[in-house]
Amino acid sequence: GIQVEQSPPDLILQEGANSTLRCNFSDSVNNLQWFHQNPWGQLINLFYIPSGTKQNGRLSATTVATERYSLLYISSSQTTDSGVYFCAGPKSNTGKLIFGQGTTLQVKP
Amino acid sequence: NAGVTQTPKFQVLKTGQSMTLQCAQDMNHEYMSWYRQDPGMGLRLIHYSVGAGITDQGEVPNGYNVSRSTTEDFPLRLLSAAPSQTSVYFCASSYSGRGWDIQYFGAGTRLSVL
Repeated sequence: GIQVEQSPPDLILQEGANSTLRCNFSDSVNNLQWFHQNPWGQLINLFYIPSGTKQNGRLSATTVATERYSLLYISSSQTTDSGVYFCAGPKSNTGKLIFGQGTTLQVKP
Repeated sequence: NAGVTQTPKFQVLKTGQSMTLQCAQDMNHEYMSWYRQDPGMGLRLIHYSVGAGITDQGEVPNGYNVSRSTTEDFPLRLLSAAPSQTSVYFCASSYSGRGWDIQYFGAGTRLSVL
């Protein structure tokens, strides 16, 4: 079945730094979502990005479906960016999301 | 627009007790699902439903029951709680359950089984 691997598992940044988070898939994925789980546990959908590049403020994401990976870029990081970032892809063409284990980001002031 | 609402937010149970975690959405979504989140393991799918009256098992269904009598509600039942069910539970919904639909998550229920 599809496997999702994220790297790095943990990341510590100084406020203002940039970072790149990676998500690899073991099988072809038609669609991919990035989520941010804030320190209070709330899961927020950041991007729905089956292919190409999308930007939302300081965050952007790129998915290269043919090479089975996606990247999440965080620029000029802020302390509010802290939390866990998950990528998830659907199994086959269903709503069953397979999640990676997440990247835990800590942004220090 | 409340989105996906989960209750309770916190719960402590003793081994063998039963309880129901509630999930409701007001977006008229057909697809609803339950995940559990354990440290270092991401989120894993427990059960899901593609519409009222239709449910199916996910990756880790043992020890949990679900039903879907209405479009809005998708409760998760623990019939006899076990310490291994200590976890954070998330309910999610999407429009149709197809792979291209964005999924929206509730705030989670933190459950401890002693």
